[in-house]
Amino acid sequence: ETGVTQTPRHLVMGMTNKKSLKCEQHLGHNAMYWYKQSAKKPLELMFVYSLEERVENNSVPSRFSPECPNSSHLFLHLHTLQPEDSALYLCASSQDLGGGYYEQYFGPGTRLTVT
Amino acid sequence: AQSVTQLGSHVSVSEGALVLLRCNYSSSVPPYLFWYVQYPNQGLQLLLKYTSAATLVKGINGFEAEFKKSETSFHLTKPSAHMSDAAEYFCAVSGGTYSSASKIIFGSGTRLSIRP
Repeated sequence: ETGVTQTPRHLVMGMTNKKSLKCEQHLGHNAMYWYKQSAKKPLELMFVYSLEERVENNSVPSRFSPECPNSSHLFLHLHTLQPEDSALYLCASSQDLGGGYYEQYFGPGTRLTVT
Repeated sequence: AQSVTQLGSHVSVSEGALVLLRCNYSSSVPPYLFWYVQYPNQGLQLLLKYTSAATLVKGINGFEAEFKKSETSFHLTKPSAHMSDAAEYFCAVSGGTYSSASKIIFGSGTRLSIRP
């Protein structure tokens, strides 16, 4: 595998379910990100991790719970989601933090549908 | 604080025609500016990036963008469109310093369609 991979690519879940999204980067980067991409809206930064430490949490509801066990893996645990949470969830990584100083590399995303 | 506005959610051009995607930004500090492309069922890929060096930035796939401070613009162009250019394009801005607190702010995107 190369670059940033995400699994699953598609996920349909009910509002009472618990599921997890997985992201893995094979680039040796130190920073990882979760973004939410909804139709007709700008990308929303959800969480930022640097060397496994969460450095940013942009007022994301507690039904989204991130986990970064090491610098290569990032998870997004989901529970009791709402239909408005349906979106494409993108993971990205960069060499380090620093705004746009370091290029962010994106995974293909997980298309989440909440029924 | 930074913000970015992409003018036109959908642009359609003929194959071989000029591509022009518009982006205006707002920034309280000299910015870094970016264009990303997203092909169907894929993540975002960096096309090009402005970091206060040359105002005309060349990117991949024949795209380029010009930073115009007086107009607060960073429009993306390509002289001759190809069918493979059909995708969603995102303009983005961040504070132009190395700062761990500096986020990248994305525009809403412009979908580019190419007519045969």
